[in-house]
Amino acid sequence: AQTVTQSQPEMSVQEAETVTLSCTYDTSENNYYLFWYKQPPSRQMILVIRQEAYKQQNATENRFSVNFQKAAKSFSLKISDSQLGDTAMYFCAFMGTGKLIFGQGTTLQVKP
Amino acid sequence: DAGVIQSPRHEVTEMGQEVTLRCKPISGHDYLFWYRQTMMRGLELLIYFNNNVPIDDSGMPEDRFSAKMPNASFSTLKIQPSEPRDSAVYFCASSDGISYNEQFFGPGTRLTVL
Repeated sequence: AQTVTQSQPEMSVQEAETVTLSCTYDTSENNYYLFWYKQPPSRQMILVIRQEAYKQQNATENRFSVNFQKAAKSFSLKISDSQLGDTAMYFCAFMGTGKLIFGQGTTLQVKP
Repeated sequence: DAGVIQSPRHEVTEMGQEVTLRCKPISGHDYLFWYRQTMMRGLELLIYFNNNVPIDDSGMPEDRFSAKMPNASFSTLKIQPSEPRDSAVYFCASSDGISYNEQFFGPGTRLTVL
């Protein structure tokens, strides 16, 4: 069975600085997809970035980028130039054969 | 498009009562998902439909839970009878494919069972 682990329950960063959120996963599948979702206090789940496992190039979306290490089964999220609006819970998620499996989440606090 | 619509946004009920949560997916999306979020268990997939047909309901916790999708624009998640441990936020999501396609989430229904 696939599992997703986020080992950092809480993190904080100063505004304008860079922060990296960790995620590891376990699977025996070779083709899969990885996602980072953001859940602000409004509770809305918002897709931040996604990565196809067969692509070696790391995905980038503006200030958000990932470090995908397939052999290590690691999928970290880097947020550059952190903004107050980035304060939220961040979920790493794995999609193999149909099911989206979420990690436990990391609460990120951006401080002014 | 208005996005995924869920109702009600909040529901407070007493133990033993029947609860029905409703979801309207984004028009044109052929996949619909029901998730539950709790502090203890995080986000869990309960069931998902493809073209109105339930594909995987292995996440449904027990027989008290049932989900239906009578047409492409409407789904319900019913709990009967409800118990305090069912208190959670229930999300509905839809997508126009599986795997890589983004799942668009509704705002969630916060259920409190007293």
